[in-house]
Amino acid sequence: GQQLNQSPQSMFIQEGEDVSMNCTSSSIFNTWLWYKQEPGEGPVLLIALYKAGELTSNGRLTAQFGITRKDSFLNISASIPSDVGIYFCAGQSSDQTGANNLFFGTGTRLTVIP
Amino acid sequence: GAGVSQTPSNKVTEKGKYVELRCDPISGHTALYWYRQSLGQGPEFLIYFQGTGAADDSGLPNDRFFAVRPEGSVSTLKIQRTERGDSAVYLCASSPIGGGLAFFGQGTRLTVV
Repeated sequence: GQQLNQSPQSMFIQEGEDVSMNCTSSSIFNTWLWYKQEPGEGPVLLIALYKAGELTSNGRLTAQFGITRKDSFLNISASIPSDVGIYFCAGQSSDQTGANNLFFGTGTRLTVIP
Repeated sequence: GAGVSQTPSNKVTEKGKYVELRCDPISGHTALYWYRQSLGQGPEFLIYFQGTGAADDSGLPNDRFFAVRPEGSVSTLKIQRTERGDSAVYLCASSPIGGGLAFFGQGTRLTVV
């Protein structure tokens, strides 16, 4: 499968701080998705991005689809304890058959200190 | 249904046994994905269905793994002659049009002893 690299791998922040994480790939994607996963749960979709350069917000979350279509970042403003979890990026592209596969990044583990 | 449903939620099996993991996608979703997730890792792609057919099965690790989706809805992931290295959480996701907005189930935690 395709390799998506996320950074940082983990973050420890104080409650109220802003957070930024990013995802890069050697391949071009048509869609970027960001997910959050908590222990024992499946990933939960946070934000979807469909166009290069697109900037989309969902509450305190903001994500951007990089202009090169090979990267994306996620920002969380004014973090709260319930933001704790692992955040995954996922990239989707169409192959020659038109199939839309979805590949995941390595994850960023966020810890918020009250 | 309201969300993606996976059964069982937990499965413990002995090495060498056969297991089946079931995924009920969101009603009307044509695309269905299977992933495997090991502790501390991101979901690893296994297979992707568009309707009844496997559009991409390049992630299946070997011929002990097989998945079907005979009516374009429920899918079953089958693992033969299980090995301890197969222990992981198996995640299923579905998507309405095969592009974007993929929603996940809770996963099946498989433990091979």
